[in-house]
Amino acid sequence: GAVVSQHPSWVICKSGTSVKIECRSLDFQATTMFWYRQFPKQSLMLMATSNEGSKATYEQGVEKDKFLINHASLTLSTLTVTSAHPEDSSFYICSARDRLRETQYFGPGTRLLVL
Amino acid sequence: SQQGEEDPQALSIQEGENATMNCSYKTSINNLQWYRQNSGRGLVHLILIRSNEREKHSGRLRVTLDTSKKSSSLLITASRAADTASYFCATDIGNYGQNFVFGPGTRLSVLP
Repeated sequence: GAVVSQHPSWVICKSGTSVKIECRSLDFQATTMFWYRQFPKQSLMLMATSNEGSKATYEQGVEKDKFLINHASLTLSTLTVTSAHPEDSSFYICSARDRLRETQYFGPGTRLLVL
Repeated sequence: SQQGEEDPQALSIQEGENATMNCSYKTSINNLQWYRQNSGRGLVHLILIRSNEREKHSGRLRVTLDTSKKSSSLLITASRAADTASYFCATDIGNYGQNFVFGPGTRLSVLP
């Protein structure tokens, strides 16, 4: 299957700082990338969908000014958690697909801990 | 409420036994996909079944889909300790996965 990477795999930061997470599709061009959030022992909740070259579409309840998404190229999307607070601590997972695939391919996730 | 809901939420079996997980959903779908997640890791795609398909096999996995009941099942035969993970169903109800909804998952424990 296709490979999607995420960086960093984990990050610890102080409250008030901003954290950037990268999601890369390594062997295909991802026209669409998705960002999910997962709390312990819970399912994935879609935060936003981004199409290359256009603004992200955010799910209801997700603050677009807090979770900045940039999908500047067909292989890279970034999620920036701005002014992070302890309640933002979570597992963030990206996925990617192109128009030829019905399947989303997931990155390994980024664990964020805000102190 | 969530589109897909798996049951049971947790399942514990002995190695060698079969494990069956069910997923129910509410709206019409293009396809339904099953994923596996090891603790603290990303998701691994297991199998996709389209709305016009009723059953698919992949190795020790068997997936069924009943669109009249809006339900799917995942059967893992001859389970192994390495199958211990959480299993999620996800329903694709829109364009290019933009309405891709995950169920809460089933946590499977396979005891050696």
